[in-house]
Amino acid sequence: NAGVTQTPKFQVLKTGQSMTLQCAQDMNHNSMYWYRQDPGMGLRLIYYSASEGTTDKGEVPNGYNVSRLNKREFSLRLESAAPSQTSVYFCASRDRESGKNIQYFGAGTRLSVL
Amino acid sequence: EDQVTQSPEALRLQEGESSSLNCSYTVSGLRGLFWYRQDPGKGPEFLFTLYSAGEEKEKERLKATLTKKESFLHITAPKPEDSATYLCAVQAVLGAQKLVFGQGTRLTINP
Repeated sequence: NAGVTQTPKFQVLKTGQSMTLQCAQDMNHNSMYWYRQDPGMGLRLIYYSASEGTTDKGEVPNGYNVSRLNKREFSLRLESAAPSQTSVYFCASRDRESGKNIQYFGAGTRLSVL
Repeated sequence: EDQVTQSPEALRLQEGESSSLNCSYTVSGLRGLFWYRQDPGKGPEFLFTLYSAGEEKEKERLKATLTKKESFLHITAPKPEDSATYLCAVQAVLGAQKLVFGQGTRLTINP
């Protein structure tokens, strides 16, 4: 029972480099989310996808792009990484269909931009 | 703007010493209030959802309550394994796809 799987778990980038964070869920959820977590700031929504083929901006979308590849996968891309993007990134999927409306989170990707 | 404020930022208790964590919120219309537990190096883990004032939910040593302005997470006779960061989040009626999180309360239970 994998749930939400994120890769990689850790990454170090140099300023200006690009990378894609991968997320996959096996719970057949329609909605998926990307958050970042910084000390003292809580979890902040970057982008979300209500269903396959749709994406919308969250609270802090600048510097990021997303792709909802299919119902299972939702990737986050940093085109030109900046030190301000050093953070822990979490992917989540939402169980809307059962009526419980619960978001389930992956284990996170710890990203350092030097 | 929907906002969530948690207090205290950090709380240190002795094993068996009961206490409460606070989550104050302002939201245009509450669809649900969520409590999560987060262990170091891991993602948030769902605990409870509360939907309306007066509602209570319990799980082992934890009980969550809800009023029109705040929620409390009561911890009764805690054990060291209850040490974690506890996160509160709200889902607004008009922001149905999104959760707004508080900063969390870091709870440490000393044996």
